[in-house]
This record gives sequence, structure tokens and C-alpha cells, in this order.
Amino acid sequence: NAGVMQNPRHLVRRRGQEARLRCSPMKGHSHVYWYRQLPEEGLKFMVYLQKENIIDESGMPKERFSAEFPKEGPSILRIQQVVRGDSAAYFCASSLLAGYSYNEQFFGPGTRLTVL
Amino acid sequence: AQTVTQSQPEMSVQEAETVTLSCTYDTSESDYYLFWYKQPPSRQMILVIRQEAYKQQNATENRFSVNFQKAAKSFSLKISDSQLGDAAMYFCAYLEETSGSRLTFGEGTQLTVNP
Repeated sequence: NAGVMQNPRHLVRRRGQEARLRCSPMKGHSHVYWYRQLPEEGLKFMVYLQKENIIDESGMPKERFSAEFPKEGPSILRIQQVVRGDSAAYFCASSLLAGYSYNEQFFGPGTRLTVL
Repeated sequence: AQTVTQSQPEMSVQEAETVTLSCTYDTSESDYYLFWYKQPPSRQMILVIRQEAYKQQNATENRFSVNFQKAAKSFSLKISDSQLGDAAMYFCAYLEETSGSRLTFGEGTQLTVNP
């Protein structure tokens, strides 16, 4: 059973370009979470999605960032018009269930975004 | 809002010895989960140990154990018989029972293991 997959592992963009980060959850998992890790910091929650629904986006910057988890295919974190401050490692995690009973979040290897 | 604090940015330990990493948290909830994650240089996040707040017994996983003090909101990680492979960044994290979604992480402790 493959783990959480993220691609690309490394992404370089120039200021003003768009960045698309992909996350394929573990087989059978329908809950996806995105976290951002700035240099020398811990991970910060960005957004929680289920298939075709955004459940909690309270950690997402108000502008330029969006996320989706379509019925078919991977979850996508999209950053428009990137700036140098967006340079970070972006982690995706997935879980089997969520809510009132604990379900472990399994993390992918992360995508390191560098904005030149 | 819940916060997690790790007051030790760096720690070091001699191989085969024991080290304790500290973590405190702030919450008004009574039901929650606490975790320690390990992040080696590969940056892969690896779950080390988990503690349910309703359990009084401290969790243990082989050489890893926790000291969970609910009243003090303290959750420390003890690594016994430290090995070179234990060298990594360690993050303490909190998950609220009712939301079951967002993990709140501390800033991390960089552990060095000296041969």
C-alpha cells in the first residue's frame, strides 16, 4: 500500500509565476490536509478537504492560494503570482476518517518550493 | 486558540544515553490528542508516539516514552538508549478531539546524537 505521494518534490518558480502542488492520498483515504513549513519553523495548518469539499480553510492566506480535491485525481494546492515569502516546504497528509474519533494523519514527503 | 510551545530549540545527547524533550500546550478543551513527530534530514514526518488525553497511563513505544501531565499541560518525550538514527528535528503536536482536523505543531527541537 503506497503512502501519501506528493509531486513534484522540488519546484522552482520565478516571482509572479504560478505553482501547482499535487498530493495523492493513501489508498482508501478521503481526507486531505495541507501544511506549510517555513524555514526554521514548525508546520502550520493551511486547509482540510474531503472529496469535492473544502471543510476548513482557516489557515489559508486570503489571496493567491487555493486548494481542491476533485472526485477523481489528486488534491491540488495552487499558488498564483508567487512571491519570495512563499518559499517553504508544503506537506500533504491524509487520513481514513476524521471528526469525533481519532484517525492518524499520514504525511507525504513534502514539496519544497523555491521562489527566485 | 490552541498553542504548542517547545522551549528547547536544540538538544544534544551522547549515544546510549537518555534525553528528554519538553513540550507545553495551551487549551481549554478536555478531550484531545498529543503527538511527537520526528523529521529527519529527508524532511519526511514520522509519527513517534501518541497520547490520548483521557488516558492517565503514559504512552510508550520501545525506547520512546512520554510524561503526560494533564493539569500542568505538559507533554515531554523521553528517548532512552539514544541511537545515531534518532538525530532529527522533533515536533510536538496537538489535535482537538471534536474538530479532528488540524494538527497544531510546536516550533521543534533539533536533537543531535554524539557518538
